[in-house]
Amino acid sequence: NAGVTQTPKFQVLKTGQSMTLQCAQDMNHNSMYWYRQDPGMGLRLIYYSASEGTTDKGEVPNGYNVSRLNKREFSLRLESAAPSQTSVYFCASRPMTGGGTEAFFGQGTRLTVV
Amino acid sequence: GNSVTQMEGPVTLSEEAFLTINCTYTATGYPSLFWYVQYPGEGLQLLLKATKADDKGSNKGFEATYRKETTSFHLEKGSVQVSDSAVYFCALSPRNSGNTPLVFGKGTRLSVIA
Repeated sequence: NAGVTQTPKFQVLKTGQSMTLQCAQDMNHNSMYWYRQDPGMGLRLIYYSASEGTTDKGEVPNGYNVSRLNKREFSLRLESAAPSQTSVYFCASRPMTGGGTEAFFGQGTRLTVV
Repeated sequence: GNSVTQMEGPVTLSEEAFLTINCTYTATGYPSLFWYVQYPGEGLQLLLKATKADDKGSNKGFEATYRKETTSFHLEKGSVQVSDSAVYFCALSPRNSGNTPLVFGKGTRLSVIA
């Protein structure tokens, strides 16, 4: 079972460059999420998609955009990367948002902006 | 609002020591509660969960009991091993929340030394 797959696993960008982080899940989940993880800050929600065709801002959306391409895929785009966006990015999915269902996480994308 | 507070680390223990990681929450109603574990270089994975008051979640020797009177979900293990070294996250999901995603604590790093 592949679960949640993120690409790439590692990336180095120069300030001002753009890139898209890809995420796909094969569990037929309705909800998908993007988090960033920084030392001492835990996980912070960037954007989420409760269901196909909808997206909502999380705690730290500035500098990011998302696309829920279909039920399987949820991408995160950095239009003009900044050093403050150096982080580990995690995609997650969940059968539905709310209630007792757990989220399943990808392995993460380690992004460095120089 | 909904929030999770967990003890700050790092926590360093000797092998076979008893582990407690405290977690308290603030939420309207009775949320579902989760513990996730993140091993070095990996994504988060569910360790255990409880969906109603007085439920006990357990897995791999870890346990946590949902205490609504103290709004707590403390993680315990009777005898830790070196392989338990990881970061542990407490999280909640509001019940009947509509589209509210999981809310995470900041994580507690555990190091177990032989």
